[in-house]
Amino acid sequence: DSGVTQTPKHLITATGQRVTLRCSPRSGDLSVYWYQQSLDQGLQFLIQYYNGEERAKGNILERFSAQQFPDLHSELNLSSLELGDSALYFCASSVDRDSIGNTIYFGEGSWLTVV
Amino acid sequence: GENVEQHPSTLSVQEGDSAVIKCTYSDSASNYFPWYKQELGKGPQLIIDIRSNVGEKKDQRIAVTLNKTAKHFSLHITETQPEDSAVYFCAAITNAGKSTFGDGTTLTVKP
Repeated sequence: DSGVTQTPKHLITATGQRVTLRCSPRSGDLSVYWYQQSLDQGLQFLIQYYNGEERAKGNILERFSAQQFPDLHSELNLSSLELGDSALYFCASSVDRDSIGNTIYFGEGSWLTVV
Repeated sequence: GENVEQHPSTLSVQEGDSAVIKCTYSDSASNYFPWYKQELGKGPQLIIDIRSNVGEKKDQRIAVTLNKTAKHFSLHITETQPEDSAVYFCAAITNAGKSTFGDGTTLTVKP
């Protein structure tokens, strides 16, 4: 158990809908990261927040947005869902802002199926 | 943007043999290279990492080498055990914090 908690574990929704994935980082971690893992595109970095502020942005679609709240939990909002958004979404956390020498701990992921 | 190529995509070895996985990156701004192990149904787990100012790092049976000039880095696992069977991902991370992952290598260690 990494200490990173993600909910829900599984989610099935229809195209065009909007969902919210939630993440609680490890106690004491200030950085939260979101990743998408799909069969055709592999593991992709979406976005990182550090202490409530956006720190780094990856291949995150405009239909997706995220935020980190004052209690450090984070939410990933996915809207206008398409079949291709079906994937495993990981949240991860770390203590520091920068990646170097800063172990990133992954949660077990949220499986999203868009039908 | 950054592109990370990882080879091979699958690797099967006998228990006790060594396994080597190679990655190549394109963005010279990448300066941190972690390796992750992902077991079925779980999230990736960091197993070893290397910074751009270091050529080699070893942790028990696992080592990573980096050739910054050639933009290559490799994972070496010696004396493989069945529990090493998993999917391994390399990643290249820039100063700005942007991560790019390889496509993964499925390692099977046969007892």
